[in-house]
Amino acid sequence: GAVVSQHPSRVICKSGTSVKIECRSLDFQATTMFWYRQFPKQSLMLMATSNEGSKATYEQGVEKDKFLINHASLTLSTLTVTSAHPEDSSFYICSARDLGRSIPTEAFFGQGTRLTVV
Amino acid sequence: AQSVSQHNHHVILSEAASLELGCNYSYGGTVNLFWYVQYPGQHLQLLLKYFSGDPLVKGIKGFEAEFIKSKFSFNLRKPSVQWSDTAEYFCAVNQGDSSYKLIFGSGTRLLVRP
Repeated sequence: GAVVSQHPSRVICKSGTSVKIECRSLDFQATTMFWYRQFPKQSLMLMATSNEGSKATYEQGVEKDKFLINHASLTLSTLTVTSAHPEDSSFYICSARDLGRSIPTEAFFGQGTRLTVV
Repeated sequence: AQSVSQHNHHVILSEAASLELGCNYSYGGTVNLFWYVQYPGQHLQLLLKYFSGDPLVKGIKGFEAEFIKSKFSFNLRKPSVQWSDTAEYFCAVNQGDSSYKLIFGSGTRLLVRP
């Protein structure tokens, strides 16, 4: 299957700083990527849909100024957590689908990023 | 709003026991259905998917799921579990439109005892 790579896998940052997480589709072009957040022992909650060449679409309740998304190319989307606070500590996961195919495909997930804000 | 319900939050089984995990969704239109598995310390992997056709779909590692449209359900089954099936299982639904957004259930933690 297709590969989605997410970096870093773990990051610890101080409160008030910003953290950038990268999501790359390695062997396919992803015009759309998705960013999820997973709290301990809970499910994945969709934060936003990242669209190449245009603004991201955020889900209700997600602060777009806090979670900046940039989809710079067909293989790279970044999520920047700005002015991070301890409550932003979570597991962030990206996914992508190869929408260039003529038949629907499943979403492929990155390995996730464990963010700890101290 | 569209939602996905997984009724079993924790399941404990002995090896060779049969498994059935429930999944119900709330959306009246066309849907695509998925089961993902997350092994400890690993990322989400697709177990199986349903887009159309035969409502009984077979996935990897002996898993299967049945789409029952009238019940809005997509239950996951395996006749005989193994210790290596210990993981968290997520049901997910995608509206059959251009959004391609996945809505996940809350997950079921399966522990298989040797």
